Amino acid sequence: DIQMTQSPSTLSASVGDRVTITCRASQSISSWLAWYQQKPGKAPKLLIYKASTLESGVPSRFSGSGSGTEFTLTISSLQPDDFATYYCQQYSIYWTFGQGTKVEIK
Amino acid sequence: EVQLVESGGGLVQPGGSLRLSCAASGFSFSSYGMNWVRQAPGKGLEWISFISSSGSPIYYADSVKGRFTISRDNARNSLYLQMNSLRDEDTAVYYCARESLAATGSRLYCFDCWGQGTLVTVSS
Repeated sequence: DIQMTQSPSTLSASVGDRVTITCRASQSISSWLAWYQQKPGKAPKLLIYKASTLESGVPSRFSGSGSGTEFTLTISSLQPDDFATYYCQQYSIYWTFGQGTKVEIK
Repeated sequence: EVQLVESGGGLVQPGGSLRLSCAASGFSFSSYGMNWVRQAPGKGLEWISFISSSGSPIYYADSVKGRFTISRDNARNSLYLQMNSLRDEDTAVYYCARESLAATGSRLYCFDCWGQGTLVTVSS
């Protein structure tokens, strides 16, 4: 099984901050990686797929990079609506999610 | 509007069974692979099963293999999850999720549309 490890688990930040979340795969997954945002009591929302492709309708302040085993999600200027939990997901072999990164208000 | 609506959750005793449904609307259901993903209270997301647009192939996570069965009825635009031999650790919100397709129709393998979830509680 492919394991996905996100860091940090929790991130405290202020509006306007640049935020970076890292996701590491236990083996190479090429670019078969997606990022999701989830708010309390809501379903996850797809942000980025194929490591760096922005889903339609997602603000351009979100970006993704990486390949192989190391990936990052960057929010260029954190907005109030961005405080949420973020998950990476590999889909190289079946599907596995990271444990999540909660972005909270500093 | 693309919509997925889960139903069938509830309280069940350990060892019991439950059948979840997911009603799809606003898109050509028969063209899309579908998934079930669950989230235990306060925990992260866990993919548990996939079914292709035609009904085969089907995949399961090891945690539910042999106990859960995914199926679909394209004529009824519906996805199902039959859950047997339920355990305490199956307690979770269960989401159905659509696998994304490119404009060309090729599979993108990520999940672009999710239902609101249905809560399954396994407890005596």
